[in-house]
Amino acid sequence: EPEVTQTPSHQVTQMGQEVILRCVPISNHLYFYWYRQILGQKVEFLVSFYNNEISEKSEIFDDQFSVERPDGSNFTLKIRSTKLEDSAMYFCAGQGLATGGINEQFFGPGTRLTVL
Amino acid sequence: GDSVTQMEGPVTLSEEAFLTINCTYTATGYPSLFWYVQYPGEGLQLLLKATKADDKGSNKGFEATYRKETTSFHLEKGSVQVSDSAVYFCALSLVGGADGLTFGKGTHLIIQP
Repeated sequence: EPEVTQTPSHQVTQMGQEVILRCVPISNHLYFYWYRQILGQKVEFLVSFYNNEISEKSEIFDDQFSVERPDGSNFTLKIRSTKLEDSAMYFCAGQGLATGGINEQFFGPGTRLTVL
Repeated sequence: GDSVTQMEGPVTLSEEAFLTINCTYTATGYPSLFWYVQYPGEGLQLLLKATKADDKGSNKGFEATYRKETTSFHLEKGSVQVSDSAVYFCALSLVGGADGLTFGKGTHLIIQP
């Protein structure tokens, strides 16, 4: 069964550094998402991406964040200058065409980002 | 805006007990409803889903019924096992849209042998 993969599983970085989190969605998916989960808190939507552009973003997704699908398979989240409060688990998700009205998203295992 | 409210945890039960985790929602449109489960150290897995009023989603002995009149989607299981210990998230998404899921805060379920 196809699955969403994410690399690395754990990233440790210094405050102010740039990080790129990578995701390989399921090949026939069309919509892509990033979420984050700060330790012990709820999962929060960051951004959705369709047809090579951002379709929706939350208040969290400020100018420090960017997303890209550079080669038709990878989907990346870049944080330009990391802050301590960016420490969280970051989940990638993908979605195909809604079937029967059910727009199910498939999640990757997550990348744990630790900012020191 | 859209929101999901779940009962606070942790919820601690003995093995074979009956489980209910309450979930209510507010939405501007007609949402699809989901329960996701997160086992320790793992990512989110879809547990079950429902797309319209009175639909019942079910999987692995868990059930939830989409109640439009009470805007609820409570998760139930007749007899829990130790392996059900996890964090459970209720979530919604607008049907047909590509918008992100709106999650509840999650309910940590602990099953004791």
